[in-house]
Amino acid sequence: AQSVTQLDSHVSVSEGTPVLLRCNYSSSYSPSLFWYVQHPNKGLQLLLKYTSAATLVKGINGFEAEFKKSETSFHLTKPSAHMSDAAEYFCVVSEYGGSQGNLIFGKGTKLSVKP
Amino acid sequence: GAGVSQSPSNKVTEKGKDVELRCDPISGHTALYWYRQSLGQGLEFLIYFQGNSAPDKSGLPSDRFSAERTGGSVSTLTIQRTQQEDSAVYLCASSLKPDHEQYFGPGTRLTVT
Repeated sequence: AQSVTQLDSHVSVSEGTPVLLRCNYSSSYSPSLFWYVQHPNKGLQLLLKYTSAATLVKGINGFEAEFKKSETSFHLTKPSAHMSDAAEYFCVVSEYGGSQGNLIFGKGTKLSVKP
Repeated sequence: GAGVSQSPSNKVTEKGKDVELRCDPISGHTALYWYRQSLGQGLEFLIYFQGNSAPDKSGLPSDRFSAERTGGSVSTLTIQRTQQEDSAVYLCASSLKPDHEQYFGPGTRLTVT
């Protein structure tokens, strides 16, 4: 069975400093992995996805994530946080490996950005 | 173009009542998904439609939950005899095909008193 574990429920950074949101996955297949962002009172938005092409995936708003099979990790990073990055972030694995199919969500990491 | 829309945006109901939640997917999207987001359980998959058929109902938490989709478009999630533990945000998503990106609606916040 597929699963994801987000290692931090809350991360706080100062504006202009790097962001690291950690995610580990468990998958029987070659997984498809995603990061979604949810701003307050808004819908979920896809940030980026990994589907067995390049291991370093670039997404929107300057975010990127690196797939590391040896560590079963898919951490999300951004070099410099902006106030508008404050939101909840979800690491997600597709239940059916290569296709999006049904998504299995991590518990979420709430990112706070201090001025 | 228009995104996924859901109605109502908020619903407060008394325990034991039935509720219907509606999802209008993006036009032309064949796949439709329902998820539930609650404090205790996070985001959970409920049911998936391909066209009007539901090949995967594995996430429905009990037989009080049902869903249908008509005309390959609008979907309704029905919860019968609501319980307080049903309080959550119910999210709908649609995709062009099952292996394409899912686009999420804003959700319906259900509160059972």
